[in-house]
Amino acid sequence: KAGVTQTPRYLIKTRGQQVTLSCSPISGHRSVSWYQQTPGQGLQFLFEYFSETQRNKGNFPGRFSGRQFSNSRSEMNVSTLELGDSALYLCASRSDRGAGEQFFGPGTRLTVL
Amino acid sequence: AQSVSQHNHHVILSEAASLELGCNYSYGGTVNLFWYVQYPGQHLQLLLKYFSGDPLVKGIKGFEAEFIKSKFSFNLRKPSVQWSDTAEYFCAVSGTGRRALTFGSGTRLQVQP
Repeated sequence: KAGVTQTPRYLIKTRGQQVTLSCSPISGHRSVSWYQQTPGQGLQFLFEYFSETQRNKGNFPGRFSGRQFSNSRSEMNVSTLELGDSALYLCASRSDRGAGEQFFGPGTRLTVL
Repeated sequence: AQSVSQHNHHVILSEAASLELGCNYSYGGTVNLFWYVQYPGQHLQLLLKYFSGDPLVKGIKGFEAEFIKSKFSFNLRKPSVQWSDTAEYFCAVSGTGRRALTFGSGTRLQVQP
C-alpha cells in the first residue's frame, strides 16, 4: 500500500505571497492531519480533516487554512507568508479502524525569503 | 492543555550501550502514547504505541517503552543500540477521542561506532 504523499517537496516563496500544499493519504484513510515542524517550536498540530470537515484545529492564526476533498486528499493554504512560516509541513493520515495511529508523509519544506 | 517533556535533548552513546529516553506528559484524562523516530533525511515513523492493556509495549527494531501512570511517564528503552539507531526520537500523546498529537521537543540520539 502506498504511503502518504506530499507535493511539492520543496518550495521557496517571498513574504506576502500565499502557498498551497497538497497531501494524499494512504488509500482508505479518511482522516488527514497537518503539522508544522520548526527547530524552535518543534512539531505543532495545525488541523485535522475527516470526511471533508475540519474536526480539530490547533493554535495557529487564520492565515493557515485547509480543506479536504471527497477522495480524502487534503490541501493546506498559508496566506500572506511571513518569514516565521518557514518550516517543514507534515501531513499524516489515519485509519478509523484498528489502533488508529497516524502515518506521516515526507513533508513539504517551505522557505520564505 | 496537554504537554510532553523530553528532558534529554542530545544523547551520545557508543554501539552496544543501553538506551533510555525519558518522556513525561501532562494531560487530564486517558491518553494514548507514542514514540516516533525520524532518521536523517527520512520521514517520521512510528516506533511503538500504547493505547491500553499491558503497560510494557514492544515496538520495531528492538525498542520498548513502559507506561507508568503514577509518574505520567512513557520512557523508551533499548538494551543495545546500533549505529543505525542514530536519529531523532519524539514522544507524543493524544487524548482518547482526540486525535491531535502533542509532541515533545525531541531527543537527538547519536550512536558512535
